[in-house]
Amino acid sequence: QSALTQPASVSGSPGQSITISCTGTSSDVGGYNYVSWYQQHPGKAPKLMIYEVSNRPSGVPDRFSGSKSGNTASLTISGLQAEDEADYYCSSYTSSSTPVFGGGTKLTVL
Amino acid sequence: QVQLVQSGAEVKKPGASVKVSCKASGYTFTGYYMHWVRQAPGQGLEWMGWINPNSGGTNYAQKFQGRVTMTRDTSISTAYMELSRLRSDDTAVYYCAREWVGAAAGTLDYWGQGTLVTVSS
Repeated sequence: QSALTQPASVSGSPGQSITISCTGTSSDVGGYNYVSWYQQHPGKAPKLMIYEVSNRPSGVPDRFSGSKSGNTASLTISGLQAEDEADYYCSSYTSSSTPVFGGGTKLTVL
Repeated sequence: QVQLVQSGAEVKKPGASVKVSCKASGYTFTGYYMHWVRQAPGQGLEWMGWINPNSGGTNYAQKFQGRVTMTRDTSISTAYMELSRLRSDDTAVYYCAREWVGAAAGTLDYWGQGTLVTVSS
């Protein structure tokens, strides 16, 4: 199962909005509403930010939102804050009944 | 509160095996699948497999078939991941992560702190 495709990096200024894309195939992203997004700060474990494409776990700010169109899922962060600077990974369930991760996107808050 | 506490860092020689533990607390261990995910230095996340702590059933990523074994000891709420025939490119941080029951398959809601495994001669 090939990794999902994410941009290597994105950046934005405080208060702005950014979007990170995650492209897969009909066997993963396009075939299921089982996309998750994880935030990882340096030296820390990943943290679940979005599940089932657009749902936020308790405690995750509503500045984080998710969506999907066809084989591409997206994570949008509005009102960027300095603490949002981190690596972000998407994940999808696949037709092989296993998860697959994206390659990760480094978010820089300018 | 849910906690996953992993064993400490390991240094192994090529060809050896490593066994990483993940002790769960704060929830019913047998009620949630446990996944293992690794991250090589400066690289992304890579899914390795899961174990059903209730039945002991497993599902491994094809890449690790034949080299990885996931087990559990329900009496002490601990999951284990053993990787054999280690190579230098197995150097990575290994994470255990709980699958969230009630959400989509593969949704990982709690993660261990990670265990660094270094493979070097």
